[in-house]
Parts: sequence; C-alpha cells; structure tokens
Amino acid sequence: DAGVTQSPTHLIKTRGQQVTLRCSPISGHKSVSWYQQVLGQGPQFIFQYYEKEERGRGNFPDRFSARQFPNYSSELNVNALLLGDSALYLCASTPDGRYEQYFGPGTRLTVT
Amino acid sequence: AQSVTQPDIHITVSEGASLELRCNYSYGATPYLFWYVQSPGQGLQLLLKYFSGDTLVQGIKGFEAEFKRSQSSFNLRKPSVHWSDAAEYFCAVESGGSYIPTFGRGTSLIVHP
Repeated sequence: DAGVTQSPTHLIKTRGQQVTLRCSPISGHKSVSWYQQVLGQGPQFIFQYYEKEERGRGNFPDRFSARQFPNYSSELNVNALLLGDSALYLCASTPDGRYEQYFGPGTRLTVT
Repeated sequence: AQSVTQPDIHITVSEGASLELRCNYSYGATPYLFWYVQSPGQGLQLLLKYFSGDTLVQGIKGFEAEFKRSQSSFNLRKPSVHWSDAAEYFCAVESGGSYIPTFGRGTSLIVHP
C-alpha cells in the first residue's frame, strides 16, 4: 500500500502570498492531521480532520485553514504568509479507532 | 494540558554501544505514549507505542521502551546502535481519546564509527 503522500515537496513563496499544501492519506484512513515543524523543534499540531469534520485545532492564527474532501484527502491553506511560516509541514493519517500516526515526507515551505 | 520533555538535545554514541533516550511527560491520567524517528528530510516513522499492559514494549529496528508511571518517564533503549540509527527521535504523549499527540522537541542521535 502507498503511504501518505504530500505535494509539493518544496515551495518558495514571498511574504504576503497565499499557499495551498495537499495531502493524500493511506487508503482506508479517514483521519488526517497537519503539523508544522520548525527546524530544531518537534512537530506542532495545526489541525485534525475526521470524516470531513474538524476534530481539533492547534494554537495557530486564523491565517491557517484546512479542509478534507470526500476521498479523505486534505488541503492546508495559509494566507498572508510571514517569514516565520517557513517550516516543514507534515501531514499524517490515522486508521479508524487507532492512535498512532503515519506521516508523509512533508512539504518544505520557504517564505522570503 | 499534556506536555513532553526530552532533556537531551544531542546524544553521541559509538557504533555497537547501548543507547538510552530520555522522555518525561506530564499528564494526569494514564497517557498514550509514542516514539517516532525522523531521518533527514523525511517524515516521522513510528518506532513503538504504549497504551496499557506490559510496561516494557518492543518496537521496530530493535528498539524498546519502558513506561515508568512513578517517574512519568518513557525512555527509549537499544542494546547495540548501528550507524543507520543516526536520526532525530521524538517522544509523544496523547491523552486517551483525544487522537492528538503532543511531541517533544526531539533528541538528535549521532553515531560514531
């Protein structure tokens, strides 16, 4: 089975621009979570979606938003980019009734 | 609120030596505990998990971890480290039922030949 996939792999944006990151979970996984990982830190939770409903939101500004589609894939949107948004954005999916997360390779976002 | 402390930012060991990475958590009830590994430029991979039962859990790649409630710890161990184990290791805690883990800041493992 294919693992969690994310696109694009790398992205360079300018301050003030908007970005959309995409994630496809492992087949059969209905839960998708998004994390931000700044260099030298652990992943910070941004959002979790289950069956297209938001199940949790971390301490991030309203510039961050996400959604989940009927096929359980997900998008993370970030508006009005700041230099501090530069990070590795990780997507993870979870099987029903389980707690461990399966991570994708991430999208490296650089804001200049 | 739950929290995780990984007190060692870097650990250096020689290949073949034993390894112990420390993890302390803060959570009132019995937590769900995880160790993940991240190789450079990669996502995180689950090494092992503890939910309940036997406090010594076995994981992949020869790793094990022991849950000690009295010390609020969940330390990761490996009897003999291989050069390929060089990576970043993250401990995570989740309150039962939340499905949302909190990660520590990670410990970077350096392996000398």
